[in-house]
Amino acid sequence: DADVTQTPRNRITKTGKRIMLECSQTKGHDRMYWYRQDPGLGLRLIYYSFDVKDINKGEISDGYSVSRQAQAKFSLSLESAIPNQTALYFCATREGTEAFFGQGTRLTVV
Amino acid sequence: AQSVSQHNHHVILSEAASLELGCNYSYGGTVNLFWYVQYPGQHLQLLLKYFSGDPLVKGIKGFEAEFIKSKFSFNLRKPSVQWSDTAEYFCAVFRDDKIIFGKGTRLHILP
Repeated sequence: DADVTQTPRNRITKTGKRIMLECSQTKGHDRMYWYRQDPGLGLRLIYYSFDVKDINKGEISDGYSVSRQAQAKFSLSLESAIPNQTALYFCATREGTEAFFGQGTRLTVV
Repeated sequence: AQSVSQHNHHVILSEAASLELGCNYSYGGTVNLFWYVQYPGQHLQLLLKYFSGDPLVKGIKGFEAEFIKSKFSFNLRKPSVQWSDTAEYFCAVFRDDKIIFGKGTRLHILP
């Protein structure tokens, strides 16, 4: 089993729809992160969390929300999806100098 | 603003050529520095990391990187690239509980 699992792997949704991307980890790490990757822009931080009661905005949090349901689960929601949220989304965990990344979710908003 | 900069956005090399990808960061104090690789359609994989000690770090697949504190640099090198090195490469810094990435360098190796 993968250390960090993202579901779904691919999703096409319509503008205005609500969508949730899920991330679960088996590493037991407290720190979890959501990034989006766009060509030429690298990975940009959306939200990060240190535990279920500690949620922090990253550099591009507008239009997104998150929920840390448990230490192992960190979900990203788009309340009303728009086309410029089409991107590859990655979840990550971190402990000290070790980081682990999910396989990514490719989201297309049409 | 504090950042991680990768100077080369797209690099094209022939097999057996030498590779150097630049990375500069603008954070003071202690930093943990990383290079990740992303093969087409895959997630990020760690190539190597530096957090203390010998500034010349060796990673997987023949890659190495040199930390030069005075230049705020952590350049990635490989003496002889292979077609299978075609991928996107990201420099990253662990800082203030965040993982901050450069914009990436897309490397294309011609067979």
